[in-house]
Amino acid sequence: DAEITQSPRHKITETGRQVTLACHQTWNHNNMFWYRQDLGHGLRLIHYSYGVQDTNKGEVSDGYSVSRSNTEDLPLTLESAASSQTSVYFCATRPTRGTGELFFGEGSRLTVL
Amino acid sequence: AQSVTQLDSHVSVSEGTPVLLRCNYSSSYSPSLFWYVQHPNKGLQLLLKYTSAATLVKGINGFEAEFKKSETSFHLTKPSAHMSDAAEYFCVVSITGGFKTIFGAGTRLFVKA
Repeated sequence: DAEITQSPRHKITETGRQVTLACHQTWNHNNMFWYRQDLGHGLRLIHYSYGVQDTNKGEVSDGYSVSRSNTEDLPLTLESAASSQTSVYFCATRPTRGTGELFFGEGSRLTVL
Repeated sequence: AQSVTQLDSHVSVSEGTPVLLRCNYSSSYSPSLFWYVQHPNKGLQLLLKYTSAATLVKGINGFEAEFKKSETSFHLTKPSAHMSDAAEYFCVVSITGGFKTIFGAGTRLFVKA
């Protein structure tokens, strides 16, 4: 079965360190997304990509970056982690043609001390 | 402008009683509407979707939702709650095949024995 794999599932880091969260999908979907989920804020879009070499900023992109070198992977990098970036991060994909349904990974819980 | 409002942040029901989770939307376009469920420490899973076909949509685990254009509502129902239904539920609006996706704030469903 196709799937979305996020790693690590849990990470604790210190303020100022660089952190990369991996997202790997076998759906062969062109569209990939990173969301963060926080109490009281629901899901907020960080970055998204519509294909290889394409990346776009979402509504809460400050302090985050992504790169898309192939269809399968969209790693999310926190250049200098801040306590405000403590959150649960979800990677999602969506086929180019369809109803807009999103497919989600299981999430990565990041704690910045 | 597009928006999604989940009218209840928390809903508590007894096992075996009906479930009603309310969602209103606003969209200038013909939207696709979705309900997702999120169990603790898991990603979001699609329950059901409306994409301009039948207005009564059946999903997994006995859930269904009715699209009412006149009321701009897409409420989620289930005739008889089960303990395993305890989770967070998200109403989601997507326009133009997913060009823009808007999440509701979520409704947490508690099921009492």
